[in-house]
Amino acid sequence: AQTVTQSQPEMSVQEAETVTLSCTYDTSESNYYLFWYKQPPSRQMILVIRQEAYKQQNATENRFSVNFQKAAKSFSLKISDSQLGDTAMYFCAFMRGTGANSKLTFGKGITLSVRP
Amino acid sequence: EAGVVQSPRYKIIEKKQPVAFWCNPISGHNTLYWYRQNLGQGPELLIRYENEEAVDDSQLPKDRFSAERLKGVDSTLKIQPAELGDSAVYLCASSSQREPSYNEQFFGPGTRLTVL
Repeated sequence: AQTVTQSQPEMSVQEAETVTLSCTYDTSESNYYLFWYKQPPSRQMILVIRQEAYKQQNATENRFSVNFQKAAKSFSLKISDSQLGDTAMYFCAFMRGTGANSKLTFGKGITLSVRP
Repeated sequence: EAGVVQSPRYKIIEKKQPVAFWCNPISGHNTLYWYRQNLGQGPELLIRYENEEAVDDSQLPKDRFSAERLKGVDSTLKIQPAELGDSAVYLCASSSQREPSYNEQFFGPGTRLTVL
């Protein structure tokens, strides 16, 4: 079974600064996907960024980037130039890479507050 | 393109009463998921459908929970009878194996259930 651990329950960052959210996971699979989802107070889960485990290059989406360390089973999210709209819960998630759609295993999430 | 639609957004019932949630996935998405999200936790999969077939219902408490996706499009999740511990947010998601959104799950806004 897969497990995803987010050990920081909450973080706070000043607007325009950079913040890093941590995530570790445990799996015996060799092929898998990792995701960061954002859940604002409206509850709508929104995909922030996705990483395929077979790719060595870290994924980047505008202000969001990941540090994927496969051997250490670590998958952190860096948010640059933080904006007030980044305030939300962030969930790290794991999906087995079976080639077909599979379930997501989520961490407990971290509450990020961006201060003006 | 319309997103995943769920109704109702909120539901308050007394214990032992029945309740049903409805989900309409994104058009063309053949995979549909129901997740339960307890307060302060990440979502956990209850059931996954491929078209009208339930391919993963191992986490669905079958004594009181049931789900259906009769025509392979929209889906209903039912609880009968509800218990206090069922209070949670019930999220529906859908996905497609077609690029460019391969393996990405799109979530609805969820239904917040409160059992008194």
